[in-house]
Amino acid sequence: EPEVTQTPSHQVTQMGQEVILRCVPISNHLYFYWYRQILGQKVEFLVSFYNNEISEKSEIFDDQFSVERPDGSNFTLKIRSTKLEDSAMYFCASSRNLDSGAFFGQGTRLTVV
Amino acid sequence: RKEVEQDPGPFNVPEGATVAFNCTYSNSASQSFFWYRQDCRKEPKLLMSVYSSGNEDGRFTAQLNRASQYISLLIRDSKLSDSATYLCVALTGTASKLTFGTGTRLQVTL
Repeated sequence: EPEVTQTPSHQVTQMGQEVILRCVPISNHLYFYWYRQILGQKVEFLVSFYNNEISEKSEIFDDQFSVERPDGSNFTLKIRSTKLEDSAMYFCASSRNLDSGAFFGQGTRLTVV
Repeated sequence: RKEVEQDPGPFNVPEGATVAFNCTYSNSASQSFFWYRQDCRKEPKLLMSVYSSGNEDGRFTAQLNRASQYISLLIRDSKLSDSATYLCVALTGTASKLTFGTGTRLQVTL
């Protein structure tokens, strides 16, 4: 069964450093997403991406964040100048169309120290 | 008012019981709705879509009431493996944003 894959599964970084979280969405999917979940809290929307551009972003997704689809398969989230409060599980998701629901990767646990 | 609101629970039920979860949403323009389940420290997994006509998948039944902006999930004959957090999700914004509720925790016991 096709699945969304994310790497790395766990990333530890020092405050102020840049991190890149990587995702390979399901191959025939057209919509791509990043979500985050701080431990014990709800899943929060960060950004959606369609047709090689951002279609929607939340207030969390400020200039510190950027997304890219550098080739036909990868979808990345870059976090510049990380802060302690960026520590969370980051989930990538993809969907074929909007009505079908999105499928999530296993997540990258980011720890900023 | 929260965009998607759920009772956090926990719901503690014995194996074999029937349990129902409810969810309300505030954005009347929301187009599609889903139930996801999330196990501890794992990713959300799509359980089923929710339609006004109702949607049944085995022991699970989901229902949408647009007039009341209310979504439900019914689980019949609960199994130990059903223990998880159940997330109510609405497709909102410009229809490319999934908004999650805080989740309802279910614990099925022997």
